[in-house]
Amino acid sequence: AQSVSQHNHHVILSEAASLELGCNYSYGGTVNLFWYVQYPGQHLQLLLKYFSGDPLVKGIKGFEAEFIKSKFSFNLRKPSVQWSDTAEYFCAVNAWNTDKLIFGTGTRLQVFP
Amino acid sequence: DTAVSQTPKYLVTQMGNDKSIKCEQNLGHDTMYWYKQDSKKFLKIMFSYNNKELIINETVPNRFSPKSPDKAHLNLHINSLELGDSAVYFCASTQATGDGYTFGSGTRLTVV
Repeated sequence: AQSVSQHNHHVILSEAASLELGCNYSYGGTVNLFWYVQYPGQHLQLLLKYFSGDPLVKGIKGFEAEFIKSKFSFNLRKPSVQWSDTAEYFCAVNAWNTDKLIFGTGTRLQVFP
Repeated sequence: DTAVSQTPKYLVTQMGNDKSIKCEQNLGHDTMYWYKQDSKKFLKIMFSYNNKELIINETVPNRFSPKSPDKAHLNLHINSLELGDSAVYFCASTQATGDGYTFGSGTRLTVV
């Protein structure tokens, strides 16, 4: 069965610090990969996705993620975080031949001014 | 225009009651989902419908019954509510799973 691991449960940063959130998945076949963000009290919004092609994917709000197939990883990065990036971040995986997204347990990011 | 809308936004009810949550999408998507987000923010898929047909039922108690009158609507009815049903329920839709989902704003259900 597919699973997604996000090892950082809670990350605290100061503004302008660099961010990297880890995501690993377990599935040996072709996958689509996603990062979603959930701002406090709001719904999930798509940050970026990897479908195929260039493993370095750029998303909204200056976020990017790199798919490393050999490591089954899809880590999210941002060079300089802002206070407004405070939110919950979810990695998600869709196996190529299934109809559902499997989500990781989420990483809570707090950014202090 | 709201792409995926859920009603109500908040729902507080007593144990044992029956309640429904409604979801509508105006994106023309074929597939709709219900996810449950628990107090630890963990998101778990419950159901999926494709063009009114149930395609995913993830070992959810049969007190939960989804209904899709047409491909733009997916409602969730819950019988005999229990304390453990307290959570945020998200509706989502997609045209193709590889595109990602569009989520509704959630329904916070509190069972007292």
